Amino acid sequence: DVQLVQSGAEVKKPGESLKISCKGSGYSFTNYWIGWVRQMPGKGLEWMGIIYPGDSESTFSPSFQGQVTMSADKSISTAYLQWSSLKASDTAIYYCARFPSIIDYRSPLFDYWGQGTLVTVFS
Amino acid sequence: QTVVTQEPSLTVSPGGTVTLTCASSTGAVTSAFYANWFQQKPGQAPRALIYSTSNKHSWTPARFSGSLLGGKAALTVSGVQPEDEAEYYCLLYDGAAQRGVFGEGTKLTVL
Repeated sequence: DVQLVQSGAEVKKPGESLKISCKGSGYSFTNYWIGWVRQMPGKGLEWMGIIYPGDSESTFSPSFQGQVTMSADKSISTAYLQWSSLKASDTAIYYCARFPSIIDYRSPLFDYWGQGTLVTVFS
Repeated sequence: QTVVTQEPSLTVSPGGTVTLTCASSTGAVTSAFYANWFQQKPGQAPRALIYSTSNKHSWTPARFSGSLLGGKAALTVSGVQPEDEAEYYCLLYDGAAQRGVFGEGTKLTVL
């Protein structure tokens, strides 16, 4: 079975750094991209960006460019989302989801999702 | 940046039919947007329902269907069940920019 398992909830202070993870299993990790989606409290889903674990190529939504870093370690089938200096406005649930490497009518976008990682930032 | 618009809320009676729509600020939604639909219940991760406008996943109940309607992507639920009460999000893909944009979500109430 395809699974994406994310790291646990985090509570941080403004200015601190953080790296959360998303481990894939049940499929060939380098045959798909991994996407990251933000959901702020009581709000909708926001596309952050996607990363290809094979070579770490990535694209970001303009809203998130420069705000976060995506990375991946294909040897352990894990993708990461990282902040160097958190802000209170980063408080949200962050989801990872599987994204196809070829976009056509046969390709679901974000077919499998992780369970989400709640990041809380407050002083 | 592209804005994707959905109805903020809809109410339907059990057994009824409801259609949710998804519009793009850039113009008519076509098959080239590869519209996807997701269902999210409180406290849960989103679940994929429809991809490439009208294709169902193996787990998608038969009562859900996707289409293009009047320049928008549409999700129709026929024979609504109480368990269909949830938030529904569409996702439109921009191939040139290699990114997608989610709609704002539709809260579907079954009453």
